Amino acid sequence: GQNIDQPTEMTATEGAIVQINCTYQTSGFNGLFWYQQHAGEAPTFLSYNVLDGLEEKGRFSSFLSRSKGYSYLLLKELQMKDSASYLCAVANYGQNFVFGPGTRLSVLP
Amino acid sequence: GAGVSQTPSNKVTEKGKYVELRCDPISGHTALYWYRQSLGQGPEFLIYFQGTGAADDSGLPNDRFFAVRPEGSVSTLKIQRTERGDSAVYLCASSARGGNEQFFGPGTRLTVL
Repeated sequence: GQNIDQPTEMTATEGAIVQINCTYQTSGFNGLFWYQQHAGEAPTFLSYNVLDGLEEKGRFSSFLSRSKGYSYLLLKELQMKDSASYLCAVANYGQNFVFGPGTRLSVLP
Repeated sequence: GAGVSQTPSNKVTEKGKYVELRCDPISGHTALYWYRQSLGQGPEFLIYFQGTGAADDSGLPNDRFFAVRPEGSVSTLKIQRTERGDSAVYLCASSARGGNEQFFGPGTRLTVL
């Protein structure tokens, strides 16, 4: 079967660092994506990993370990506007995407 | 704007009715995806088009759901004999050939009474 797990909710303080974990079991693997989704809005692309290691993009970094079926999204210098749901998604072969349930992050002042 | 657009933004219908949801992808994007999202859940893959053909329709839940993209641009998701369980936000996304990033539209909120 196909399964993606993420924590349901997380809370962090403005200015802090938070790590959102994602574990996956899918029938194929053609890359792992992270999306941000504010309430009532469409998801927006944050990052893409296809090889093991860390990808850094400004305040956001994403890590992948294919052998462990594991990824994390690291958010630094948290801002209030980072309060949103963060979706982990895996692309199977053939571009069939499987999304996780999302992690709702609340950033507190 | 030049983003993905979806119409209507909201659709309320009665159980048993037929509905069509439209997606206009970003100009030039060859790949088009349909998802549906229930409250508190991640998007659920329905179907993927590469050009005019459905490259993967394994996510369509049953034969009441059908999607077309006759000219390789605009796509229509069609739902027959709607059921209350079909109520969700239907999202469309597009990406460029060889691109990894999917650009999502604002979605159509479907409510089946």
